[in-house]
Amino acid sequence: AQTVTQSQPEMSVQEAETVTLSCTYDTSESDYYLFWYKQPPSRQMILVIRQEAYKQQNATENRFSVNFQKAAKSFSLKISDSQLGDAAMYFCAYKGETSGSRLTFGEGTQLTVNP
Amino acid sequence: KAGVTQTPRYLIKTRGQQVTLSCSPISGHRSVSWYQQTPGQGLQFLFEYFSETQRNKGNFPGRFSGRQFSNSRSEMNVSTLELGDSALYLCASRFLTGPTYEQYFGPGTRLTVT
Repeated sequence: AQTVTQSQPEMSVQEAETVTLSCTYDTSESDYYLFWYKQPPSRQMILVIRQEAYKQQNATENRFSVNFQKAAKSFSLKISDSQLGDAAMYFCAYKGETSGSRLTFGEGTQLTVNP
Repeated sequence: KAGVTQTPRYLIKTRGQQVTLSCSPISGHRSVSWYQQTPGQGLQFLFEYFSETQRNKGNFPGRFSGRQFSNSRSEMNVSTLELGDSALYLCASRFLTGPTYEQYFGPGTRLTVT
């Protein structure tokens, strides 16, 4: 079974600075997707960024980028120029190519942004 | 384009009762998945429906069931509620064709069992 681990329950960052959230996963599948979702206090899950395992290039979405290390099964999220609106719970998630919509989530990292 | 909607948003039930939650997917989306979110267990996959059939199921007891209607709306039912069923229940929808990773979440239903 696939597992996703986020070892940082809480992180904090100063506004305008950079923070990196860690995620490791375990799978025997060769084709899969990895995601970072953001869940603000409203509880709405918002997709931040996606990485296809077959792509070697790290995904980037504006201030958000990932460091995908397939051999190490590591998938970290870097947030640059942190903003107050980035404060939220961040979840790392895994989806196998053949698992339909099923996502396996990590435990989450609560990010605080200090002004 | 309207997002995924879930009703009701909040619900309080008593142990032993049953509850039905509803999820209306984004127009054109035919797959609906359900997740349970609790502080202790985190986010766990319940099941996925498309074409009115359950296609994928997580590791939950038979008290948790669901169905999907011809208009793709989905309902989730929990019978004989237990205190541990108190959770945020999220649903997500996606197109059946195209990238299977593009799913969108609703705002959730907060269920409290007393």
